[in-house]
Amino acid sequence: DGGITQSPKYLFRKEGQNVTLSCEQNLNHDAMYWYRQDPGQGLRLIYYSQIVNDFQKGDIAEGYSVSREKKESFPLTVTSAQKNPTAFYLCASSRGGPFNEQFFGPGTRLTVL
Amino acid sequence: AQSVSQHNHHVILSEAASLELGCNYSYGGTVNLFWYVQYPGQHLQLLLKYFSGDPLVKGIKGFEAEFIKSKFSFNLRKPSVQWSDTAEYFCAVNYQKAGTALIFGKGTTLSVSS
Repeated sequence: DGGITQSPKYLFRKEGQNVTLSCEQNLNHDAMYWYRQDPGQGLRLIYYSQIVNDFQKGDIAEGYSVSREKKESFPLTVTSAQKNPTAFYLCASSRGGPFNEQFFGPGTRLTVL
Repeated sequence: AQSVSQHNHHVILSEAASLELGCNYSYGGTVNLFWYVQYPGQHLQLLLKYFSGDPLVKGIKGFEAEFIKSKFSFNLRKPSVQWSDTAEYFCAVNYQKAGTALIFGKGTTLSVSS
């Protein structure tokens, strides 16, 4: 079954700890994205990668880091520098190029205690 | 900076009522336009998209949207809603000169009562 998997579904961390959210896709897509969803705020772009070993900051990259060492994987690290990390995080992928829709994973809800 | 506005935060309708959700975007050159839907407990999924050609596009589940270039708008419509349309709807824009990333509106929650 092709798709995007994000793990875990729920994640709890103590304040001051870094945490890494997993995103894997088997759609053979070139581009991958991380969004943050907060109630009433829509989806805001954190980072995106259009090709392996390359990524760009989105609108709210501060306090986050990513890597893209493999085409199918795009992990997101929420660092202790992120002031308000509790949120729902969505990963997406697309074939790349402007004429392709993005496909979304089920999301990870991160709660920082 | 580019932005996307959705006019309605929460819409409440009875079954069989007609639906129109507004979406406007700021100027930024050539755009691709999308409507996504998030049903309760489910993944965000694509309803419809516009790249070029006929400005009236049809999507899944009886939804359609009209691109009006002069108004920078891409409103979503459905002639008769069902209880199962209860969901959150997001308008998204890709500004082609900025790469492949999408800018999303803040979303509209649609509640349909039976």
